[in-house]
Amino acid sequence: DAGITQSPRHKVTETGTPVTLRCHQTENHRYMYWYRQDPGHGLRLIHYSYGVKDTDKGEVSDGYSVSRSKTEDFLLTLESATSSQTSVYFCATTPLIGGYGYTFGSGTRLTVV
Amino acid sequence: DQQVKQNSPSLSVQEGRISILNCDYTNSMFDYFLWYKKYPAEGPTFLISISSIKDKNEDGRFTVFLNKSAKHLSLHIVPSQPGDSAVYFCAASASNTGGGADGLTFGKGTHLIIQP
Repeated sequence: DAGITQSPRHKVTETGTPVTLRCHQTENHRYMYWYRQDPGHGLRLIHYSYGVKDTDKGEVSDGYSVSRSKTEDFLLTLESATSSQTSVYFCATTPLIGGYGYTFGSGTRLTVV
Repeated sequence: DQQVKQNSPSLSVQEGRISILNCDYTNSMFDYFLWYKKYPAEGPTFLISISSIKDKNEDGRFTVFLNKSAKHLSLHIVPSQPGDSAVYFCAASASNTGGGADGLTFGKGTHLIIQP
């Protein structure tokens, strides 16, 4: 295992409040990703990072921002949570791109009420 | 437009028989294909991958077949076991776009149910 820890595991928040999800890895992997999983949609990429301070947008980045100030931490922020952001969020890492499998965290279940 | 498609939301197979999960893709730039398995309340776990220069890759009970001309891949599980009951995701990446760093594209998943 890549030693990926996501926190919190569960969170309920109110519409309009900011929320930050954390992904922490202990394997020194260069590449980190945030995905969301929703029924009928599979896994969709929100943002990714290819190094410290190097990030880019994925398929469903609207309403989300990320930061990576250290190799081991990748933060996902919902600036003003909406009900459409109720989802399960997964962090993933990989040391190399191409055919190498990503290692996923256990997920954060976020509910926006 | 969905670039990776898993058209069967669910599949039921008897224990001991072969399970065949299918996946189609539309982006001809994809050059790596992966299968992930996911249990409820857990993150997906990597199962097996295949490069576009191959047409078959085998790992124990799991074999992935790639038909590039048809833009189709399949995962075969033989023999199927109760622990194989899970959601299976097909994923693809293109190493020559964004340097391949821009993530995997996933299908919607197929829920495999192994009947005793």
